[in-house]
Amino acid sequence: AQSVTQLGSHVSVSEGALVLLRCNYSSSVPPYLFWYVQYPNQGLQLLLKYTTGATLVKGINGFEAEFKKSETSFHLTKPSAHMSDAAEYFCAVSSNTGKLIFGQGTTLQVKP
Amino acid sequence: DGGITQSPKYLFRKEGQNVTLSCEQNLNHDAMYWYRQDPGQGLRLIYYSQIVNDFQKGDIAEGYSVSREKKESFPLTVTSAQKNPTAFYLCASSPQGASGTEAFFGQGTRLTVV
Repeated sequence: AQSVTQLGSHVSVSEGALVLLRCNYSSSVPPYLFWYVQYPNQGLQLLLKYTTGATLVKGINGFEAEFKKSETSFHLTKPSAHMSDAAEYFCAVSSNTGKLIFGQGTTLQVKP
Repeated sequence: DGGITQSPKYLFRKEGQNVTLSCEQNLNHDAMYWYRQDPGQGLRLIYYSQIVNDFQKGDIAEGYSVSREKKESFPLTVTSAQKNPTAFYLCASSPQGASGTEAFFGQGTRLTVV
């Protein structure tokens, strides 16, 4: 069975500081991994995804994530936080039928 | 504009009533999904459909029903058997129900039992 664990339900950073949101996965097959962002009372928007190939994946809004098979991790980073980055972030793994299995989510707070 | 439209945005249900949430997509996607979101629990899969006239239960299907009579439509009915229906419901679609394909989400419907 596949699963995703996001470490830390709430993360708080200062504007301009590094953003690091942690995601670990469990999968018996090569995983396909996703990060989504959700603003209040809205749907989810894809930030980036890893399927095959380069392990460092760049996404929208300056975010990137690195797939580390040895650590079963797919952590999301951004060098410099902006106030508009405040949102909830979800890591997900894709099953062989295309179903997405989500982590619990991490709320990012950005302080001025 | 292509996308997924969920309606209504807010819905109130009395105890014992069935309600239907609408989800329409014009992306020509084969697969469609319904997720339920509760605070601190992430998104949990209710039902999914990979092709017209076929659908499968997800992890929390009890108290819910769906239909997929048309490719672009995947309505979700919350029945009176669902004991705790207050939640945020998200519909999604993907080009095909295969691993690695991203899902596109609607804006959600917030259901409240009154």
